[in-house]
Amino acid sequence: DQQVKQNSPSLSVQEGRISILNCDYTNSMFDYFLWYKKYPAEGPTFLISISSIKDKNEDGRFTVFLNKSAKHLSLHIVPSQPGDSAVYFCAASHLNRDDKIIFGKGTRLHILP
Amino acid sequence: DARVTQTPRHKVTEMGQEVTMRCQPILGHNTVFWYRQTMMQGLELLAYFRNRAPLDDSGMPKDRFSAEMPDATLATLKIQPSEPRDSAVYFCASGIPGSSYNEQFFGPGTRLTVL
Repeated sequence: DQQVKQNSPSLSVQEGRISILNCDYTNSMFDYFLWYKKYPAEGPTFLISISSIKDKNEDGRFTVFLNKSAKHLSLHIVPSQPGDSAVYFCAASHLNRDDKIIFGKGTRLHILP
Repeated sequence: DARVTQTPRHKVTEMGQEVTMRCQPILGHNTVFWYRQTMMQGLELLAYFRNRAPLDDSGMPKDRFSAEMPDATLATLKIQPSEPRDSAVYFCASGIPGSSYNEQFFGPGTRLTVL
């Protein structure tokens, strides 16, 4: 049973436009949500996080929105740049329980010139 | 420049052979995680350690996989005997328990191909 779901395996966006990556979760006990970015032949790297007590966190071109009632979060990238082409993993953790992070299957983002 | 290192980066082997993958976590990090990435399953957690003690290996096929931390600077993942379905990229990650959001730092991965 997948606790973190990314239902779009891939997404193509024109350079300069907004990229929106979506993620749903099932476990209401998660208290932190993270996004990781992965380039080919490299390990995932941390991008941005949000606590469950917030509904928005912004870092430069990247903003994560959290809707707890819908158990949904999204990552917005504005404006999208060619270097943003990568696989993006949504992840969740339950800090008070253990050290684990539960990852989604990832969404491959293509930024088109 | 602190980073997680993994060896080998690529491994091609034949079915039935033993495979050993190694990981050096970032100095000072005392949690270590092993993941497997496949197209179908994404990033699956295989096992994790805290202070070298195994805390959870429920994601690992017990009959053929084993994970150990002989010391604080080395984690190993072994597959014996290997099977074609084990072909995947295996990532090691390390972290600090109790950090603000359980951030983990990943190594570059070992791409395993079992023929």
